Amino acid sequence: DIQMTQSPSSLSASVGDRVTITCRASQSISDFLNWYQQNPGKAPKLLIFGASNLQSGVPARFSGSKSGADFTLTITGLQPEDFATYYCQQTYNSPRTFGQGTKVEVK
Amino acid sequence: EVRLVESGGALVQPGGSLRLSCSGSGFTFKMYWMHWVRQAPGKGLEWVSRIYSDGSIRDYADSVKGRYAISRDNAKGFLYLEMKTLRAEDTAVYYCARATGDSTFRAFDIWGQGTVVTVSS
Repeated sequence: DIQMTQSPSSLSASVGDRVTITCRASQSISDFLNWYQQNPGKAPKLLIFGASNLQSGVPARFSGSKSGADFTLTITGLQPEDFATYYCQQTYNSPRTFGQGTKVEVK
Repeated sequence: EVRLVESGGALVQPGGSLRLSCSGSGFTFKMYWMHWVRQAPGKGLEWVSRIYSDGSIRDYADSVKGRYAISRDNAKGFLYLEMKTLRAEDTAVYYCARATGDSTFRAFDIWGQGTVVTVSS
């Protein structure tokens, strides 16, 4: 199985900050890397698919990138509604594994 | 509106069985891979199972293999998860999710609201 290592597990930030979350796969997954946002008690919501493609309806302050084996989710200009938990997921093969999650908290 | 709605979650004793359902609407259900994902209390997301659009391919996480069975009824627009020999560690919110195609990297673009399964005596 492909292991997804996400970091950090949590971070504290303020409204307006630039936030970066990283995910690394245990083997090559091409660009089959997706990012989700989850608010407490809610279902996950797709933000980014294919490493860098913004899902329809998602604000442009969210972006995704890939550098070597590392995938990055960046939030530029953190908004109050962005305090949530973020997960990466590989869909290169089965099982479709998720990272452990990164909780973005208010500083 | 594209929508998934799960049902069937309940409190069940260890060793018991349960069947979850997921109703899809607002899209051509029979064209999509469908998945189940669960989340134990206070924990992260765990992929559980998937089924191909016509039901011909199914697979499972090792943690549920041999105990869970995924199925679908395309005529009715329903996805199912039959769960047997339930354990305390199966306690979780269970989500169904729709997967996009290869050209959009098979992401899970639509999720249900989740149904709660509690395994306890």
